[in-house]
Parts: sequence; C-alpha cells; structure tokens
Amino acid sequence: AQSVTQLGSHVSVSEGALVLLRCNYSSSVPPYLFWYVQYPNQGLQLLLKYTSAATLVKGINGFEAEFKKSETSFHLTKPSAHMSDAAEYFCAVTSAEYDYKLSFGAGTTVTVRA
Amino acid sequence: DAGVIQSPRHEVTEMGQEVTLRCKPISGHNSLFWYRQTMMRGLELLIYFNNNVPIDDSGMPEDRFSAKMPNASFSTLKIQPSEPRDSAVYFCASRKTVNTEAFFGQGTRLTVV
Repeated sequence: AQSVTQLGSHVSVSEGALVLLRCNYSSSVPPYLFWYVQYPNQGLQLLLKYTSAATLVKGINGFEAEFKKSETSFHLTKPSAHMSDAAEYFCAVTSAEYDYKLSFGAGTTVTVRA
Repeated sequence: DAGVIQSPRHEVTEMGQEVTLRCKPISGHNSLFWYRQTMMRGLELLIYFNNNVPIDDSGMPEDRFSAKMPNASFSTLKIQPSEPRDSAVYFCASRKTVNTEAFFGQGTRLTVV
C-alpha cells in the first residue's frame, strides 16, 4: 500500500536552531510529494511540493525540502527556527501506482523553545 | 476564490442520529477528498473522487458511512447511525490536477454524545 513514514512524532528545537523533519515514502513509480503545516483548529496549508522538477524545493516561511529518489526520502528543513513555526507538519504522497490518491504521514509536532 | 467551504463548522449530535457533512470544492478542481482526523489515528483518507466518480473508498470505516458527489461543486459525507467513536474533525480537500496540491477546508468538528 502507498505509505508515508514520518520519523518522530514530536520534535523540540530552540529558537534559531535547525529544524529537520524526516519523511520517507513508498512508491515504485515517480511520486509527487508535499509538505503541509497545520496550526491549532485550522485546516492544512501547503508548505512546498515536489512535482518532478528540481529536487531541492523551496517553500514558504523559509522551509525547503530535498527529494532523494535513492533514499525514497523528502526531508523538510529550516535553517533557523522561529516561535511561529510551532505547529504540526505532515508529509504527503500521491502517484499513479495508487490512482493518485493523496496519502498523509502521521504528522510531526514541532515545539520551539525560547 | 473562497477556497474549499465546509459546513457546518461544528456539529454536536446524539448517538444514533444521522449526520450530514457538506463540502463545496474550489471551482475547476477535478479531485475531492474526505479525511478524518483524530488524536489516535491521525489523518485518515476516507474516500477520493475524481471527476465526481469515487476512485477509492477503502478508507470508509463501515457501512454507516456514505459519500456522494452529485456534481462538480458539491459533496456530502453521511453517517447513519452515528456513534461516539465517530467524533473527530472531518476535512474536505480539492485538487485541480494530479500533480498539484490539494486545498483543505477548515473542517467540521463532529461530536457524538
């Protein structure tokens, strides 16, 4: 089955420190990959997407992610965390192998320490 | 564009009652998804439509759940009869093409007592 694995359900970082959220996917055909952010009591908002162009993708709020086919990974990073980055982050995948249904990982909650 | 519109935003109902959740996708979008979010199970895909046709309903928990998309601008998710374990936030999302992002509504918070 199509799946997305996010390592670490909770990540705590200091303000100004690197944020690294891990995502691995399963797909035997080229996937499209997404990172979303969810703030409390809100819907999900797109941070960035990989759709077979450049493997290093830049998104909003200083986030970026790199698609590595050999590692089936799409990790999300931000060089310097801000208090406003505290939220839940979801990795998602879609591909022709599964009729382009959109599947999400379990999510990673990020807390930022002052 | 107003985005994906879900109604109601909150619903409290008694066990055994029928509940209908509504979604208006973004105009011009071809795919529509219904998700359920709980602390225990995370974000689960319930059903996925493409061009108003259900493509994958393998996530629908049981026969008490049903979803329809009578036209490109409207979808419903119905639970009959509702049970306390159905309490969750239900999200609708729509997407223009398979390689574009999905846009989410604000969700419906359902509480079954």
